[in-house]
Amino acid sequence: LAKTTQPISMDSYEGQEVNITCSHNNIATNDYITWYQQFPSQGPRFIIQGYKTKVTNEVASLFIPADRKSSTLSLPRVSLSDTAVYYCLSNDYKLSFGAGTTVTVRA
Amino acid sequence: DAGVIQSPRHEVTEMGQEVTLRCKPISGHDYLFWYRQTMMRGLELLIYFNNNVPIDDSGMPEDRFSAKMPNASFSTLKIQPSEPRDSAVYFCASSLRLARQFFGPGTRLTVL
Repeated sequence: LAKTTQPISMDSYEGQEVNITCSHNNIATNDYITWYQQFPSQGPRFIIQGYKTKVTNEVASLFIPADRKSSTLSLPRVSLSDTAVYYCLSNDYKLSFGAGTTVTVRA
Repeated sequence: DAGVIQSPRHEVTEMGQEVTLRCKPISGHDYLFWYRQTMMRGLELLIYFNNNVPIDDSGMPEDRFSAKMPNASFSTLKIQPSEPRDSAVYFCASSLRLARQFFGPGTRLTVL
């Protein structure tokens, strides 16, 4: 079974857009894709969830292509407080989170 | 709603002692998850329940670990005997129909 995979880290500057891509090759037909954010010493927090095409909320956008084998989390105009670990979760591998992407936003 | 409640928030114990971590999920949620997080291994799913029934415990590291969910509002994760390598932050989370998970604040366990 394939796990979700995502980049280990990404650096950005305040005001830029950050895009994190996650692959989930064996995602099941009924599974949703969910992204979480985690700050140090806290539990992960839900950011956004989608099934296909595009989903947008007040925090982020989620792009999912037709084959659903990957998804891209887009964080518009990041600030220093967006520095965190971002996890992609699908149900293709025992409900486990991916390794997470550490996003560092610099001034 | 108070969210997912975990206790204790911090636990320091000596090797060989029994440790019990507790979790109260959000009322109405039908799934409960136990995770362990360390720097080396990241966030690992240990076990999850659906309607109080364990569904997948393949992430439980060994027989020293056990989890129960006697009712819809309470779950425990027990380590007996504890070892220094069990030191980690343990998170409990709950969800409704495998939708978004709500995480508790975690229990930081230190085994000396």
